[in-house]
Amino acid sequence: GQQLNQSPQSMFIQEGEDVSMNCTSSSIFNTWLWYKQDPGEGPVLLIALYKAGELTSNGRLTAQFGITRKDSFLNISASIPSDVGIYFCAGHIPQGGSEKLVFGKGTKLTVNP
Amino acid sequence: NAGVTQTPKFQVLKTGQSMTLQCAQDMNHNSMYWYRQDPGMGLRLIYYSASEGTTDKGEVPNGYNVSRLNKREFSLRLESAAPSQTSVYFCASRWGQGGGYTFGSGTRLTVV
Repeated sequence: GQQLNQSPQSMFIQEGEDVSMNCTSSSIFNTWLWYKQDPGEGPVLLIALYKAGELTSNGRLTAQFGITRKDSFLNISASIPSDVGIYFCAGHIPQGGSEKLVFGKGTKLTVNP
Repeated sequence: NAGVTQTPKFQVLKTGQSMTLQCAQDMNHNSMYWYRQDPGMGLRLIYYSASEGTTDKGEVPNGYNVSRLNKREFSLRLESAAPSQTSVYFCASRWGQGGGYTFGSGTRLTVV
């Protein structure tokens, strides 16, 4: 099946540092989504990207939809302890008359106070 | 605002037992999905329902069945549970194509 390569798998950073993570694919995506999952909870949508080249911010988070439509990145500026969690990228690919959402394997973020 | 509600939150089954995981959404969404999450594997689609009355297989459908009972409810059934089905199961929904999914808080299932 379709795969998203998400990196890094894990990050250990100090509070206040900036964070960057990315996803790449061999397939073209119509949409890129970034989710955060807190322990014991379901993923929560952070940012949705709909057009190639689109750059969108949500507070300290910034994400971009790559020009080739095969990649996306998420940056977190000035990290804080509550940024801890697993971040997933996801993308919609056309499948027949509908779409299929494919997830990356996640980036586990640890923030040391 | 309830969003997507899953029951139960935790369950332990013996191999061979059956059970149904329940999911309901109150957002009038058309599409509903069942995913499983395993360590290092991310989220994998089991089954989905693009609209009321339709269901389709996802990436890992073997050992599962689903029912889209009405627009609100989408259940996942394990007829004969196996240890390989130990996982965290998430239900999700969305209104239409292209939008983000709203996830429930998950059902943690252990099969012994």
